[in-house]
Amino acid sequence: QKEVEQNSGPLSVPEGAIASLNCTYSDRVSQSFFWYRQYSGKSPELIMSIYSNGDKEDGRFTAQLNKASQYVSLLIRDSQPSDSATYLCAVRSSSASKIIFGSGTRLSIRP
Amino acid sequence: DTAVSQTPKYLVTQMGNDKSIKCEQNLGHDTMYWYKQDSKKFLKIMFSYNNKELIINETVPNRFSPKSPDKAHLNLHINSLELGDSAVYFCASTRATGNSPLHFGNGTRLTVT
Repeated sequence: QKEVEQNSGPLSVPEGAIASLNCTYSDRVSQSFFWYRQYSGKSPELIMSIYSNGDKEDGRFTAQLNKASQYVSLLIRDSQPSDSATYLCAVRSSSASKIIFGSGTRLSIRP
Repeated sequence: DTAVSQTPKYLVTQMGNDKSIKCEQNLGHDTMYWYKQDSKKFLKIMFSYNNKELIINETVPNRFSPKSPDKAHLNLHINSLELGDSAVYFCASTRATGNSPLHFGNGTRLTVT
């Protein structure tokens, strides 16, 4: 089992709709969870961090964490063409120093 | 500007050569990393240093040798380069305690011919 798993996509969503990205992790005592966006040829940029169970909202982005199910998700409301990118889920392990990434989900917003 | 900066941005070299990539951060972080991103976009952790001490060393060939002269700098030296080493190498930094996220450099695209 991979430490952090994501569907590779591509996920195609019409402009204006909600994009839902999912991630599961294997280390039950992981503490911190991050979503990064990466455009082609660029470095990953942080979109959201979440540490407690529940939802965390920031503008059009909502991160959801369920530690019991070892599941973290990212919702993007009112999807825009500029949201087309690869989204990387990252988990900070129980050792605190190790931050592991999923393989990323490629999101495509179609006009 | 506060940032993680790495050089060079592009590196094209032949098999068998030795090359180095440099990284510096001025964010006051105490932990720095090297990640390798392959053609399928998977970001794989290679090494991590905390205050100049190596704390993570994943299953990376001995041809890769990281060096951290101080907590703001982390360099990566690669000996006897192979075709399979072609990838984008990212430097990143964070604080070891708390829930601090990673801050990435702009990456070094290494092409071995």
